[in-house]
Amino acid sequence: DAGVTQSPTHLIKTRGQQVTLRCSPISGHKSVSWYQQVLGQGPQFIFQYYEKEERGRGNFPDRFSARQFPNYSSELNVNALLLGDSALYLCASSLSAGYNNEQFFGPGTRLTVL
Amino acid sequence: KQEVTQIPAALSVPEGENLVLNCSFTDSAIYNLQWFRQDPGKGLTSLLLIQSSQREQTSGRLNASLDKSSGRSTLYIAASQPGDSATYLCARRGTGAGSYQLTFGKGTKLSVIP
Repeated sequence: DAGVTQSPTHLIKTRGQQVTLRCSPISGHKSVSWYQQVLGQGPQFIFQYYEKEERGRGNFPDRFSARQFPNYSSELNVNALLLGDSALYLCASSLSAGYNNEQFFGPGTRLTVL
Repeated sequence: KQEVTQIPAALSVPEGENLVLNCSFTDSAIYNLQWFRQDPGKGLTSLLLIQSSQREQTSGRLNASLDKSSGRSTLYIAASQPGDSATYLCARRGTGAGSYQLTFGKGTKLSVIP
């Protein structure tokens, strides 16, 4: 079975640009979460979506937005990119939004902002 | 602020040795704790999930324990192999506000020397 997939694998942007990252959850999973991982740190929570509704938001500016589609895939958008947005962006899926569910992560998208 | 601490930050052991990785958290009100493995530049691979009602979980050569009262979890790796070399992250899912997110430690980088 396919795991969580993310695209693109790598991305290079310049300051001020906008970027869209994509995630497809494991088949049958309805919840998607997004995390940002800066080099040398643990992942930081950005958003959780379940059934197309935002269920949680981390401490990130409004430049970050996301949505979930009827097929449960998701997009993360970042506007007005800053150098500090350079990071590995990870998507995780789980069966539902239940708190006892195991999270499964994708391979990530490496974003470099120049 | 909910914090997760992993000590040591790096560990180097000879092949075949048994080892323990430590994870501590400041707030013992948790739903579960999850251990992950991350290879350089890659996504996270889920290793073990321990629910708050459980004391330990085992998978092959891995055993994870949870002591909520002391705010500690350990990951025991038996008969280590060079292929175990990676960064190991623990993540806590707390109760109450913010229960939709995982809070990660910075990880322990493990090197198993042949």
